[in-house]
Amino acid sequence: DAKTTQPPSMDCAEGRAANLPCNHSTISGNEYVYWYRQIHSQGPQYIIHGLKNNETNEMASLIITEDRKSSTLILPHATLRDTAVYYCIVRGYNFNKFYFGSGTKLNVKP
Amino acid sequence: KAGVTQTPRYLIKTRGQQVTLSCSPISGHRSVSWYQQTPGQGLQFLFEYFSETQRNKGNFPGRFSGRQFSNSRSEMNVSTLELGDSALYLCASSSDGLGTEAFFGQGTRLTVV
Repeated sequence: DAKTTQPPSMDCAEGRAANLPCNHSTISGNEYVYWYRQIHSQGPQYIIHGLKNNETNEMASLIITEDRKSSTLILPHATLRDTAVYYCIVRGYNFNKFYFGSGTKLNVKP
Repeated sequence: KAGVTQTPRYLIKTRGQQVTLSCSPISGHRSVSWYQQTPGQGLQFLFEYFSETQRNKGNFPGRFSGRQFSNSRSEMNVSTLELGDSALYLCASSSDGLGTEAFFGQGTRLTVV
């Protein structure tokens, strides 16, 4: 599975959009990009995933570059409850097997 | 629909003992994978079971084992516990196929003393 690179931490003001980048330059054709977050050592929470098209759901939007080598998770209006570690993961043929990197610690500040 | 259920939530064991953790996946999901999370190593993949067969295995010693039952519930066992096995153990449930979501349980916090 392709590795991902994320900044270790980011700050965001409450109510503003949080844009979390992820680099996955070795991603291959059938590999999907997944985003999860983990709050206070609870189980990781699924956010969104995509293959090549941009995706949006009630939680977030996922923007994947045309060459698929990077992506951005967008939380449109961050709240204090969005403070968490966000993991970008590339998942392919190994189905239910995720390699978690170090993630990005998002700090949402009032 | 019910989420992924892990039991127990907390456990304290003594070095040398063994422990069994349980994971009940989302109804209809046949894949269960297990992860260990420690402050030093982060989230690491242990193994995955699909239709009662181990399909993938991470880089952990043989003291860590698992199984899956016909109803897709899974157990993992750690024998001869060591202090370093203290961790949050998570399982994830997924239906099969590319591009499907996987959902995690709340984990079992194991403390070895």
